[in-house]
This record gives sequence, C-alpha cells and structure tokens, in this order.
Amino acid sequence: QVQLQESGPGLVRPSGTLSLTCTVSGVSISSTFWWSWVRQPPGKGLEWIGEIYHSGSTSYNPSLKSRVTMSVDIFKNQFSLKLNSVTAADTAVYYCARVGRGGTYLFGIWGQGTMVAVSS
Amino acid sequence: EIVMTQSPATLSVSPGERVTLSCRASQSISSNLAWYQQRPGQAPRLLMFGVSTRATDIPARFSGSGSGTEFTLTISSLQSEDFAVYYCQQYNKWPPITFGQGTRLEIK
Repeated sequence: QVQLQESGPGLVRPSGTLSLTCTVSGVSISSTFWWSWVRQPPGKGLEWIGEIYHSGSTSYNPSLKSRVTMSVDIFKNQFSLKLNSVTAADTAVYYCARVGRGGTYLFGIWGQGTMVAVSS
Repeated sequence: EIVMTQSPATLSVSPGERVTLSCRASQSISSNLAWYQQRPGQAPRLLMFGVSTRATDIPARFSGSGSGTEFTLTISSLQSEDFAVYYCQQYNKWPPITFGQGTRLEIK
C-alpha cells in the first residue's frame, strides 16, 4: 500500500534551516498526484505549507513563501522541504501528504509526522 | 485568503449521542469542503469531501451538509473511536489551502 515517511533533524537552531524529506513507497512519485507539506504547532491546528508536482512545479503558502523551497527526486521517490530563517514559531509536527486533485484538493494519505523543535 | 472558522472549539458529549459540528467560510466556497479526523498522536484522516461524500471506509454515521459559506458535519451516534479533533478544509481557492482551527470532541 502507499506509505509516506518523513525524516530529518528533530532540532534546528534559530535562524537556521529546517530540512525534511518525505520518502514515498507503494506508488511512483511521478504519478498524477501532487505532494504536499502540512505542519501543526503543538496543541494547534493545521497549516498548509505548499505542494510540488513531479515536474518540479510548486505552489507555496504566501505566509511562508519567502522562506520555503520544495524539491523532488524522482529517482529516490522522495520530495523535500527546506524552510530557512526559522524561529520558535516554526516548532511543529511536520506532515507530508499525497494530494488528490482534479476538481478537488484532498490530503488522502499522510505520513506519520515528524516533530521539529526550533531551539538553541 | 479564505478563513475557515469552526465552532464550537470543544464539545463534551456522551457515547451514543448525535452531534453536529459547524464550519463557516469567510467567502463562498461552493461545495469545495473536506473534513478530517485527527485522533491523539495520529495524522489527520480524510473523512468527507465535496461536503457530503464519505471517503473510503468511513462509516455511514458520518454525514455532511451545507454549501456556500455554512457547513456541518454530523455524527449520528458517537462511538468511542470518534472522540477526536475534526478539521474542515476548503479547496475552492488556493494558495493557500486553509483549514479551520478544529473542534475537539471529548467524552462527557
């Protein structure tokens, strides 16, 4: 079955860069789906970070756009997130998710999430 | 940006009861609304889309209604596994995709 797994450092220093990778199994990342990152600060709601297609096309949340870069590696079946100039406000559980589009925008499959703390 | 507002923030209910959760959009989103359930320590799970279409394996006790700016999710008879946080999400216009702040169902 399709599975997504986030990986990356659990602690990032303030002003540093948060880097996460999502490894996709059970389906080719070059399929017709988009791939997305969503985060959730402790005890709070969900925030969409952005999306990427296997072609490299991206769309980002305007609130984060100046600090976000997403990329895809079709050979490793992975996609990645980089968020620079992080502060404590970026502390959250980061989820990767597969997005079904075509008239909708549905997060159909999620990774288990990875907690990233921003602290010195 | 379309702002999604859910109410109430928390609902205390007993197993077996019927419960209705509300979600309001800051502008019309037609029927481009989804609901997610998030149990403690887990990732969200897609429940409903297109306001009232249940996702795969979602039981019939879940139903959705509404259009435009006002939407509801109803659980007809609460089971123990339904006590969780529920989020609505609009996909009428993006970026950004936006979620409500969530409604927590807790056991009375």
